Amino acid sequence: KNEVEQSPQNLTAQEGEFITINCSYSVGISALHWLQQHPGGGIVSLFMLSSGKKKHGRLIATINIQEKHSSLHITASHPRDSAVYICAVRLDSNYQLIWGAGTKLIIKP
Amino acid sequence: KAGVTQTPRYLIKTRGQQVTLSCSPISGHRSVSWYQQTPGQGLQFLFEYFSETQRNKGNFPGRFSGRQFSNSRSEMNVSTLELGDSALYLCASSSALGVYNEQFFGPGTRLTVL
Repeated sequence: KNEVEQSPQNLTAQEGEFITINCSYSVGISALHWLQQHPGGGIVSLFMLSSGKKKHGRLIATINIQEKHSSLHITASHPRDSAVYICAVRLDSNYQLIWGAGTKLIIKP
Repeated sequence: KAGVTQTPRYLIKTRGQQVTLSCSPISGHRSVSWYQQTPGQGLQFLFEYFSETQRNKGNFPGRFSGRQFSNSRSEMNVSTLELGDSALYLCASSSALGVYNEQFFGPGTRLTVL
């Protein structure tokens, strides 16, 4: 079993829809990251969370430490949101980052 | 502030050769991490350097090595290349080691091994 699991693996939605991507982990962590990778390969850090909720524009990230679960939400989705969204957790034992496999999101106009 | 830069951006090598990739972190950043990304495996951690010392290492064979210089620039070396080493190699910098330091990624070096 992978230490970090994301769901769904692939998601296709229509422009304007509310999007939720989930991340579950099985290890002790000190922080969780959500990142975005566009087709060209560049990776951008979206959020870094250790508790609660963060919001940036149309993006919202939440984390439940007790349940070892985080969600990334996109409101009013747009085709430019199409990308791979990756969850990564930083282990509390050695600070190493463990990555999820990513969720490929396609937003159709 | 200039972002993380990686050179070269694309590289084609043949099996058995060796390759050196370079990463220049954001000015003032002292931590550099390297990752390998393949379609089947996703992103995998290679190693992390801070102040010229390797602080963390992933589960890769000894053919993969790295170093960091006093100006925080880092190089990664892969010897005796295998077909399976074809991947996107990403480096990321952060201002310090530790839990809450955000990582900034470079554009990556795409290595193809023939």
